[in-house]
Amino acid sequence: SAVISQKPSRDICQRGTSLTIQCQVDSQVTMMFWYRQQPGQSLTLIATANQGSEATYESGFVIDKFPISRPNLTFSTLTVSNMSPEDSSIYLCSVETGTSGANVLTFGAGSRLTVL
Amino acid sequence: GQNIDQPTEMTATEGAIVQINCTYQTSGFNGLFWYQQHAGEAPTFLSYNVLDGLEEKGRFSSFLSRSKGYSYLLLKELQMKDSASYLCAVRDSNYQLIWGAGTKLIIKP
Repeated sequence: SAVISQKPSRDICQRGTSLTIQCQVDSQVTMMFWYRQQPGQSLTLIATANQGSEATYESGFVIDKFPISRPNLTFSTLTVSNMSPEDSSIYLCSVETGTSGANVLTFGAGSRLTVL
Repeated sequence: GQNIDQPTEMTATEGAIVQINCTYQTSGFNGLFWYQQHAGEAPTFLSYNVLDGLEEKGRFSSFLSRSKGYSYLLLKELQMKDSASYLCAVRDSNYQLIWGAGTKLIIKP
C-alpha cells in the first residue's frame, strides 16, 4: 500500500487566518481525497483532487473556503481559509490502492487543527 | 437518504470476544469496509466484504448479508491494543464511500 506523509500534524490557529496542509505520496496516484473528521464523528469527504483538473467538491464544501492544489501525481495541498472555531477538526488526505480485491483507502496521519 | 448505523460505544474484557454490528441503507452496494482507528491516529484498513458470508483474517472476522443490509466485525481473544474506534463504510452504486460514525471499543483488563 501507499505511504502518505502529511503535515502539519497539528496546529493552533487564530480566527480569520488560513492554513495549508500538505500531503505527499510515495507513488503516483490519479486521485487524492481530502476528508474532515470532527471530534467524535465520522469521516466527511471534502473533495477529490485530480492532477491537471479542478478538484471536485462535495455538497457543503466550496473552493473559496477549501482551495486545493494538485500540481503532480504525488502531491496535494488543502488550504483551510478564513478559519473559525467551527473549522477545528482533523483533516486527512487519502489515496486508493488495490488491496484484497478492493480499492482500499490509505490515510495520512492527519492534521489536527484547533482554531481559537 | 443513505445511512449507516453502528453502536456508539462498546465495552469488552481482555481475552473475550466482541461483535460490532453495522446496518446500512444505501443507493446500491459495491462493497463494505471495516477500518480501525486508534485515538489520535488515522484509520487503517481491516477488512472488505462484497459477497455474502464470513471473511476471516486472524483474530478478526467480518460478515456480510446483503439482503439484510447487515455486517458485523468479530474480534476474538481481545487484547488491550484493540481499544480503538471501528468504522464501517459502504461503497454505493456511484462508488462513493458512505461512512458510519464509528464504534468506540473499550477493552478492560
